[in-house]
Amino acid sequence: AQTVTQSQPEMSVQEAETVTLSCTYDTSESDYYLFWYKQPPSRQMILVIRQEAYKQQNATENRFSVNFQKAAKSFSLKISDSQLGDAAMYFCAYRSALMRFGAGTRLTVKP
Amino acid sequence: KAGVTQTPRYLIKTRGQQVTLSCSPISGHRSVSWYQQTPGQGLQFLFEYFSETQRNKGNFPGRFSGRQFSNSRSEMNVSTLELGDSALYLCASSFDINQPQHFGDGTRLSIL
Repeated sequence: AQTVTQSQPEMSVQEAETVTLSCTYDTSESDYYLFWYKQPPSRQMILVIRQEAYKQQNATENRFSVNFQKAAKSFSLKISDSQLGDAAMYFCAYRSALMRFGAGTRLTVKP
Repeated sequence: KAGVTQTPRYLIKTRGQQVTLSCSPISGHRSVSWYQQTPGQGLQFLFEYFSETQRNKGNFPGRFSGRQFSNSRSEMNVSTLELGDSALYLCASSFDINQPQHFGDGTRLSIL
């Protein structure tokens, strides 16, 4: 079964600094999708970034970028120029037939 | 474009009762998925519907069921409620199966 592991339950970053959230996954499939979602205290899950496994180029969305290492089954999220509004739970997700989520990383942004 | 709408936002039930939760997807989205979120188990997949057909089902007992209507709206039903069913239930919709999912605000279900 596919599993998604986020090894950092909590992370903290200073405003304007850069932080990287880790995610590894286990799969035997070659075609799949990876996502990062954020869930602020308002509780709505918001899509941050998406990566197709067949694409070698790392996805970027403004201040958010990923480091996708397919062979290592690693999918980390880098947040540059962190803002107070980035504070949230971040979930890594894997999708082939089913969608599976990691346990989440709580990110705190210090002013 | 209106987002995913879940009703109700909060619900309190007692053990043994049943409950129905509703989800209206983003207009044009044909796929609807349901998740259960708890502090202990995290986000767990319940089921996914596409064009009124259940495409996938997670590892939940038969007390959990769902359906999708012709207008893509979906409902999930939980019968014979147990204390452990207390959770945030999230609905997500997407245009197609492998497209990014857009989530609603969830229904917070509390079982007394």
